[in-house]
Amino acid sequence: TQLLEQSPQFLSIQEGENLTVYCNSSSVFSSLQWYRQEPGEGPVLLVTVVTGGEVKKLKRLTFQFGDARKDSSLHITAAQPGDTGLYLCAGEGGFYNQGGKLIFGQGTELSVKP
Amino acid sequence: KAGVTQTPRYLIKTRGQQVTLSCSPISGHRSVSWYQQTPGQGLQFLFEYFSETQRNKGNFPGRFSGRQFSNSRSEMNVSTLELGDSALYLCASSLDWAGNTGELFFGEGSRLTVL
Repeated sequence: TQLLEQSPQFLSIQEGENLTVYCNSSSVFSSLQWYRQEPGEGPVLLVTVVTGGEVKKLKRLTFQFGDARKDSSLHITAAQPGDTGLYLCAGEGGFYNQGGKLIFGQGTELSVKP
Repeated sequence: KAGVTQTPRYLIKTRGQQVTLSCSPISGHRSVSWYQQTPGQGLQFLFEYFSETQRNKGNFPGRFSGRQFSNSRSEMNVSTLELGDSALYLCASSLDWAGNTGELFFGEGSRLTVL
């Protein structure tokens, strides 16, 4: 059972456009992490958000944790081809956590065309 | 600082065989987790080891097992392979478990194809 739903699953945009990826759950998480995975590699951590309502910025990427700590969003401003990859959200400490450390969303496959 | 190393990177097996995958964590990291990644299911948690003890386990059948050695290296084994076991198996290490909001460092994965 997938407890973290990401949307959209696929996104193809032109360089310079803005985009937002959503990560939603009915569970409360003590923290939420965002990873990016490129083909042939493992996921790499981008950011961890812990406090409800928290906003973190990483260059052109803005991450927000929902006030109730059930959802999160990733906003990319002026996307670049180098942003292409699979973006994964992962929550820990959810009520329905079945003993795993992190529950991952299915991911958002982003393609930024020059 | 060397990253997480997984071997083999690619392997092909047939149904009914068994397979062992290896993971060497970052030096000093004592927690090793294993995940299965497929296009349909995304990353699914298999199990986590800390100081040679399985501390957490996901919802996979008993055909999936693992262990951790005193040097923190870990292996996972899948017996009686099924076609549905075809996936990318990712190993991740951390200083401690993610309950401390610690970062997971992933290896490049072992891509298993079951024919």
